[in-house]
Amino acid sequence: DVKVTQSSRYLVKRTGEKVFLECVQDMDHENMFWYRQDPGLGLRLIYFSYDVKMKEKGDIPEGYSVSREKKERFSLILESASTNQTSMYLCASTFLQDQPQHFGDGTRLSIL
Amino acid sequence: QQQVKQSPQSLIVQKGGISIINCAYENTAFDYFPWYQQFPGKGPALLIAIRPDVSEKKEGRFTISFNKSAKQFSLHIMDSQPGDSATYFCAASMRASGTYKYIFGTGTRLKVLA
Repeated sequence: DVKVTQSSRYLVKRTGEKVFLECVQDMDHENMFWYRQDPGLGLRLIYFSYDVKMKEKGDIPEGYSVSREKKERFSLILESASTNQTSMYLCASTFLQDQPQHFGDGTRLSIL
Repeated sequence: QQQVKQSPQSLIVQKGGISIINCAYENTAFDYFPWYQQFPGKGPALLIAIRPDVSEKKEGRFTISFNKSAKQFSLHIMDSQPGDSATYFCAASMRASGTYKYIFGTGTRLKVLA
């Protein structure tokens, strides 16, 4: 079974802090994704990566950046956290882009 | 044009009843339509998926009906059980600019009463 592990289930940070969310997958998947989940808005794609050191902007990349130095690890970075970035963040991976995505259990981030 | 509209937002069904969740899309370039199930505290997990070359796919109590001409697809849960209480997301994906683009619906919170 594919396992996508997000390093923190809950995280509380202050406005202006630099925040790192980590995601690791164990299935040698090429593609990894970061989503934000908010009530009534579904899942919105922030960034995705289709290879090491490669990244593409999703629908809502503003205020975020990503890093993929190793195939199994994809990091989401909030450069200067703001209260409107309080949300549930979900990481996903897939081998082929037209195949189902495998999700982690999410990180609930609160920015105070 | 890349939206996927999902309804209803929430649904309450009696045990043993049929749960129906609907999704509609505009862009005919979408070619893969998965449904995900999410329990509280967990990430979404693939439930069932369909491609537009078939009109229906059934896996156990879960069925996707696909209407290509109407650009609609729906999830039917037969004999709904309290354990089916979860949030359900439809999605659609298509190739765009050399990569695949996934669009998710806004989710339906299903509660099945015992």
